Amino acid sequence: AQSVSQHNHHVILSEAASLELGCNYSYGGTVNLFWYVQYPGQHLQLLLKYFSGDPLVKGIKGFEAEFIKSKFSFNLRKPSVQWSDTAEYFCAVESKSSGDKLTFGTGTRLAVRP
Amino acid sequence: DAGVIQSPRHEVTEMGQEVTLRCKPISGHDYLFWYRQTMMRGLELLIYFNNNVPIDDSGMPEDRFSAKMPNASFSTLKIQPSEPRDSAVYFCASSPPGSNYGYTFGSGTRLTVV
Repeated sequence: AQSVSQHNHHVILSEAASLELGCNYSYGGTVNLFWYVQYPGQHLQLLLKYFSGDPLVKGIKGFEAEFIKSKFSFNLRKPSVQWSDTAEYFCAVESKSSGDKLTFGTGTRLAVRP
Repeated sequence: DAGVIQSPRHEVTEMGQEVTLRCKPISGHDYLFWYRQTMMRGLELLIYFNNNVPIDDSGMPEDRFSAKMPNASFSTLKIQPSEPRDSAVYFCASSPPGSNYGYTFGSGTRLTVV
């Protein structure tokens, strides 16, 4: 079955540490890829998206993600996290084979220690 | 643009009662999605509409759940009768025509069934 996998369920980092959250998908064909962030008690907000062009995508708040087609991956990175990055992060994939609707991963909870 | 508007923000109801959640999508967005979020199951797509027509309701848990979209600016999700296991945060999201845009989420309705 087509799916989106986020293997890290919980991540704990100290401030200034580097972050990489994994996302893998199993859809074939052309895909659009997204990362959403959900701060405690809030709704999901778009962090960044990829649909074509440069596979290295830069988003808000210093986040970036790299699309590696051969690995079916779209990992999220940030060189130096802040306490305010504490949130849950969701990877999502949109493809023709998914009926043009987003399929979300299970999310990764990030806790940043001050 | 006021974004996706959901009401109420919080709802506490007794088991067996009818609950109606409301959503106003962003003007011009022709896709509308209802999601449910719980700690145990994460983010689940319940149903989505395109141009007011339900496209996929396979995520609706059971017949107690129903959703309508009588016009382009309003949708409801109804639970009748409600049960404690329905307690969750229900998010509405909308998306404009075409792909590549991702979804804009509302602030959610936190439902507690006691």
